[in-house]
Parts: sequence; structure tokens; C-alpha cells
Amino acid sequence: KAGVTQTPRYLIKTRGQQVTLSCSPISGHRSVSWYQQTPGQGLQFLFEYFSETQRNKGNFPGRFSGRQFSNSRSEMNVSTLELGDSALYLCASSLAAGHYNSPLHFGNGTRLTVT
Amino acid sequence: DQQVKQNSPSLSVQEGRISILNCDYTNSMFDYFLWYKKYPAEGPTFLISISSIKDKNEDGRFTVFLNKSAKHLSLHIVPSQPGDSAVYFCAAINSGGGADGLTFGKGTHLIIQP
Repeated sequence: KAGVTQTPRYLIKTRGQQVTLSCSPISGHRSVSWYQQTPGQGLQFLFEYFSETQRNKGNFPGRFSGRQFSNSRSEMNVSTLELGDSALYLCASSLAAGHYNSPLHFGNGTRLTVT
Repeated sequence: DQQVKQNSPSLSVQEGRISILNCDYTNSMFDYFLWYKKYPAEGPTFLISISSIKDKNEDGRFTVFLNKSAKHLSLHIVPSQPGDSAVYFCAAINSGGGADGLTFGKGTHLIIQP
């Protein structure tokens, strides 16, 4: 079974631009979550989608948004990029909603650099 | 305020010996705990979990211990193998919190010495 696929792997953007990251979950997984990893803050929860609905959102500004499509694929968008948005963005999928019901399966991440 | 803390950024252990990774939490609402392992350039991989109704969970070479009164959990790896060299993240969640995401510690880099 193919794992969680994230594209692109690397991205360089300029301050003020916007970016869209893509995530294809494991086949059959309906929950997709996004996490941001930075050296200073570690892994932080961004949001979770289940059946095309956002279930919750972490403590991030409104510039961070996402959506999920009917085939469970998900996209994450960051508008008006800031230098501090430079991070590894990890997508994770699971069978059930709620991160305690079934383990998260992470993709290899998209490394975003904002210059 | 960091709710999940891994106070050792790195740990070096000899191959064949026991590795003990520690994790402390402050939020008493957390009732489910997980350990993830991460190799460079890869996403984290689920290792083992424990519910707050238990104090120990074992899976092969990996055992997680939970001390609720001390708000402390630990991951034991016995025996340690070279392939165990990775960054280990402790994570916690309040299962009754609806759609909360996992709260992660900042990780401990485990190095297994031959």
C-alpha cells in the first residue's frame, strides 16, 4: 500500500507570496491532519480534516488554511508568507478521526523556505 | 507554555543496552500518550501508545511506562540496536477534547553506539 504522499518536497518562496501544499493520504484513510515542524517549536498541530470538514484548528493565524476533497486528498495554503513560516510541513492520514483512535501515518513533508 | 517536555535533547547508548527516553507533561486532561520515531528526511512513524487507564504497554523490544501521579512517561528499548538511532517524539492528547491534535514534545535524539 502506498504511503502518504506530499508534494512538492522542497519549496522556496518570497515574503508576501502565497503557497499551496498537497497531500495524498493512504488509500482508505479519511482523516488528514497537518503539522508544522520548526527547530524552536517542534511539531505543532495545524488542522485536521475528515470527510471534507475541518474538525479543529491549532493556534495558527488565519493565513493558514486548508481543504479536503471528496477523494480525501488535502491541500494546505499559506497566504502572505512570513520568514517565520519557514518550516517542514507534515501531512498525516489515519483511518478514523481523532488522533487517539488510530495511529497517524506521516508523509515525508514539504520543506518550505521563505526568503 | 510547553505542555509536553522531553528534557534530554540527545541520548547516547551502547548497542545491546537499554535505552530509556523520558517525557513529562503538565496538562492533567491528557489521557492518551504516543511515541513516534523519526529518521532524517522522513516523516515520524508511530511506535507505541498507552492509555491513561494503564501504567504499562509492551510491544516487542519497546515498553512504555506511565506514571500519572508524576505526569511522567518513559519509553524503554531493550536491547538497543543500531537501527534505533533516530529522533523520538513523545505526544499526548485529551481523547475527550473533540478534535484536538496531538501535542508533541521537541524530541530526543537517540544515538546507538556500536
